[in-house]
Amino acid sequence: QKEVEQDPGPLSVPEGAIVSLNCTYSNSAFQYFMWYRQYSRKGPELLMYTYSSGNKEDGRFTAQVDKSSKYISLFIRDSQPSDSATYLCAIGGNNRLAFGKGNQVVVIP
Amino acid sequence: GAVVSQHPSWVICKSGTSVKIECRSLDFQATTMFWYRQFPKQSLMLMATSNEGSKATYEQGVEKDKFLINHASLTLSTLTVTSAHPEDSSFYICSASRESYEQYFGPGTRLTVT
Repeated sequence: QKEVEQDPGPLSVPEGAIVSLNCTYSNSAFQYFMWYRQYSRKGPELLMYTYSSGNKEDGRFTAQVDKSSKYISLFIRDSQPSDSATYLCAIGGNNRLAFGKGNQVVVIP
Repeated sequence: GAVVSQHPSWVICKSGTSVKIECRSLDFQATTMFWYRQFPKQSLMLMATSNEGSKATYEQGVEKDKFLINHASLTLSTLTVTSAHPEDSSFYICSASRESYEQYFGPGTRLTVT
């Protein structure tokens, strides 16, 4: 079983729609949860960072963590074409990060 | 804050030569720096973790004699790909961490070995 599972299937949504992304993880020792955004041929950019169960909101972005289910989510409200990118979840623990495969999101104007 | 740069952004080299990639944290001191490799449409693969002044810790399957990492200071780490071959062609990304588990990534270096 992989440490972090993220369905890499591309996701296309119309502008203004809500984008919903999620990851599952297997090791309960992981205590830190992050979402990164990566544009093509660029390094990942840290979007959200949390270490507790529940919701964390930052503008149009909401990160949700459910430690009991080992499940994390990212929601993007009022999606914009500029949100088109690959989104990677990352789980931290034991002094390292484990990354999901990433979801390619395309927001269609 | 938390800006990380990489140089060069892209490089083409001939098979058998060595290439050095620099990673710098511009506005903070990084306790730890990480080197990743990423193939097209794939996730990040951690190659090694380095702390300033100590030897890097390499992930299983990564040849430490081929991928030399030097962490000279709290703001600079270098990755040297020695005797590069076409299969080493990839996107190499560094990240730097100043506390906890937050990692700030550089823009990446695209290496093409001909």
